[in-house]
Amino acid sequence: GNSVTQMEGPVTLSEEAFLTINCTYTATGYPSLFWYVQYPGEGLQLLLKATKADDKGSNKGFEATYRKETTSFHLEKGSVQVSDSAVYFCALSALYNQGGKLIFGQGTELSVKP
Amino acid sequence: AAGVIQSPRHLIKEKRETATLKCYPIPRHDTVYWYQQGPGQDPQFLISFYEKMQSDKGSIPDRFSAQQFSDYHSELNMSSLELGDSALYFCASSLGLGGTQYFGPGTRLTVL
Repeated sequence: GNSVTQMEGPVTLSEEAFLTINCTYTATGYPSLFWYVQYPGEGLQLLLKATKADDKGSNKGFEATYRKETTSFHLEKGSVQVSDSAVYFCALSALYNQGGKLIFGQGTELSVKP
Repeated sequence: AAGVIQSPRHLIKEKRETATLKCYPIPRHDTVYWYQQGPGQDPQFLISFYEKMQSDKGSIPDRFSAQQFSDYHSELNMSSLELGDSALYFCASSLGLGGTQYFGPGTRLTVL
């Protein structure tokens, strides 16, 4: 079945460091891919998305490119801030035979130190 | 912009009691998804509705039931609560099946 695998956390970075969180997926068909962010004690916020191969999603300095050849959707940011500290979830949604439900990776906790 | 509303935000129940969680989707959204998130875990899909009909079912216990009403709000009913039901319950809404899902703030259920 469909699945998502993320790099394990926690990831600890200094402010202004470069961030990469790896995400790979297994899916039949052509899923849509998402990154959601969860701040402490809060719900899930959509960070960015990509709906087809080679699409690049971007928001708030974060970027991720849908790579079908490597089945990956890695999250990157050039310069992280303390306010980026949160848990990041990679997810896929497949409409065909899956009803569009989201399948999440295990989440990666990011801690940014001043 | 209007977001997904969930109520209550916090709920404390005893074992074997019942609970009802409510979800009000973003206006004009016709699809609702329910997810359960245990401590330190990723959200797990429970059930979804499209145009007031159940569209998909995941790992939802038989003790749980849900429905979507004519105004598109949804309710998740949980009976014979167990300690293991303690979790965050999220509702998400979208415009159509497969549309981008937007999440509510969640209901934190604690079963004592």
